[in-house]
Amino acid sequence: KQEVTQIPAALSVPEGENLVLNCSFTDSAIYNLQWFRQDPGKGLTSLLLIQSSQREQTSGRLNASLDKSSGRSTLYIAASQPGDSATYLCAVWSRTLNDYKLSFGAGTTVTVRA
Amino acid sequence: KAGVTQTPRYLIKTRGQQVTLSCSPISGHRSVSWYQQTPGQGLQFLFEYFSETQRNKGNFPGRFSGRQFSNSRSEMNVSTLELGDSALYLCASSLAGAFYEQYFGPGTRLTVT
Repeated sequence: KQEVTQIPAALSVPEGENLVLNCSFTDSAIYNLQWFRQDPGKGLTSLLLIQSSQREQTSGRLNASLDKSSGRSTLYIAASQPGDSATYLCAVWSRTLNDYKLSFGAGTTVTVRA
Repeated sequence: KAGVTQTPRYLIKTRGQQVTLSCSPISGHRSVSWYQQTPGQGLQFLFEYFSETQRNKGNFPGRFSGRQFSNSRSEMNVSTLELGDSALYLCASSLAGAFYEQYFGPGTRLTVT
């Protein structure tokens, strides 16, 4: 069974500092890995998607890396801003006997102080 | 372009009852996925429908079921409600399937008393 862990659970940084969020998964046989953002009381926003054959993806100030063999992904957010305050979740699609399942980590709650 | 809409936004039900939640995807999207979010278990994948067929399924009991209509709108049904079913239920739509970029609705907050 796929287990997804995110460390740290919470993070508080001053504005302008770079953010590093970690995600690890136990089964390396993944289809892809996705990073999401959730704002309080709201649904999720898809941030980045990395296929299992890729090593990284970039979108603006966001960069996500994937090391499938070690079961790790890291989300980097450059030059953080107060608007980056949210909970960030990673999730992996894994193959099971009959289909695929999406497993989520518990998330890292980020606070960027102005 | 209208986003994903979910109805109702809030719902209170009594243990033992059943409930039906509705999700309207973004126009043109053929995939709808459902998720349950609770403080204890976090976010969990329920199932995905693509072109009216269930394509992937999470680890939930048979009390949780869904369907998708020809216009891609989807409903999720939970029968014999339990207190533990209290959660935020999110749906997401995708053009190419849940493996790819998904767009989430605001969720339905279900409270079971």
